[in-house]
Amino acid sequence: DIQMTQSPSSLSASVGDRVTITCQASQDISNYLNWYQQKPGKAPKLLIYDASNLETGVPSRFSGSGSGTDFTFTISSLQPEDIATYYCQQYDNLPITFGPGTKVDIK
Amino acid sequence: QLQLQESGPGLVKPSETLSLTCTVSGGSISSSSYYWGWIRQPPGKGLEWIGSIYYSGSTYYNPSLKSRVTISVDTSKNQFSLKLSSVTAADTAVYYCARHGEQLASIDYWGQGTLVTVSS
Repeated sequence: DIQMTQSPSSLSASVGDRVTITCQASQDISNYLNWYQQKPGKAPKLLIYDASNLETGVPSRFSGSGSGTDFTFTISSLQPEDIATYYCQQYDNLPITFGPGTKVDIK
Repeated sequence: QLQLQESGPGLVKPSETLSLTCTVSGGSISSSSYYWGWIRQPPGKGLEWIGSIYYSGSTYYNPSLKSRVTISVDTSKNQFSLKLSSVTAADTAVYYCARHGEQLASIDYWGQGTLVTVSS
């Protein structure tokens, strides 16, 4: 199985701050990497697909980059509604695997 | 607007079989572009892919669960189902049904999730 790691596991930032989350795969997954946002009690929501493509309707303050084994997810200006846990997910090889998540809070 | 809705018992006894159904509305499960899957999340923990199915019946399972999992599709009812046998407390989780894009890619639609507790 491809192992996905994320850092940090949690972070606190102020409204308007730039927030960056990293995701690392245990082997080369090309750009077969997605990012999801999950708010408490809700299903995950797709934000970024294929490492850097913004899903339709998702605000442009969210972005993703990377390829191979190292990926970055960025919120350019943190908003109160962005409080959530963020997960990366690879689909290069089965089984599909998710990172452990990064919990984002407002400072 | 595509919608997915899980249904099934919220409480299952240890050693029994967990059975859930996902009803798809607002679109056809027989679309050639999509796969349909199950993902679970134990309370307070991360996401685990269980498996997925194509409308033709081709299935893909997580090896960690493969010996206990069966996913099936009923195109006439626009539904797909999950059976997980010999459950233990470790199978207690919120179970989500979802739609994948081509090649089991991004998961773009999710059900609201249903909590299944394994307890006697």
